[in-house]
Amino acid sequence: AQSVSQHNHHVILSEAASLELGCNYSYGGTVNLFWYVQYPGQHLQLLLKYFSGDPLVKGIKGFEAEFIKSKFSFNLRKPSVQWSDTAEYFCAVTPGGSQGNLIFGKGTKLSVKP
Amino acid sequence: NAGVTQTPKFRILKIGQSMTLQCTQDMNHNYMYWYRQDPGMGLKLIYYSVGAGITDKGEVPNGYNVSRSTTEDFPLRLELAAPSQTSVYFCASSFNAGGGYTFGSGTRLTVV
Repeated sequence: AQSVSQHNHHVILSEAASLELGCNYSYGGTVNLFWYVQYPGQHLQLLLKYFSGDPLVKGIKGFEAEFIKSKFSFNLRKPSVQWSDTAEYFCAVTPGGSQGNLIFGKGTKLSVKP
Repeated sequence: NAGVTQTPKFRILKIGQSMTLQCTQDMNHNYMYWYRQDPGMGLKLIYYSVGAGITDKGEVPNGYNVSRSTTEDFPLRLELAAPSQTSVYFCASSFNAGGGYTFGSGTRLTVV
């Protein structure tokens, strides 16, 4: 079965530190890739998505992600985090040919210390 | 621009009771989904629909039912509530397959 793995359960950083959250998926075919963010007490919001083309994708709030097909990875990065980035981050995959059903990773909680 | 609206936001049920979680979207999206979110487990797909009159099971459908009589509405029914159904439920919609979702604000359900 297809799955999405997020390497870190909880990441704690100080403001201005750089962020990289890992995401790997297990599916050999065409995929659409997403990162969602969930701020405390809120619903999930789309950060960025990759369908095709340039494997370096830029999203909202200074986030970016790089798709490396050979590694089945789609890691999320931000050069300098802010306290307001404290949230839970979910990587998700839609296998090509599916009904659009997103398969989510278990999420990574990011805590940014002011 | 309401997007995806879920009601209620919170609910406490007793074991064996039933209830319907409502979900409405005003974006004319064909695809709609129900997920449950449990701490440390990410989101699991319960049911989905690719259009009015068409529904299908996701990863964790047991104990739930859905219907899709209109494009806008996709209610989720719990017939005999069990403590294992304590969770946060999110409804989502998308314009096409493989696209990004728009999520509702969620329903926090506790079964006691």
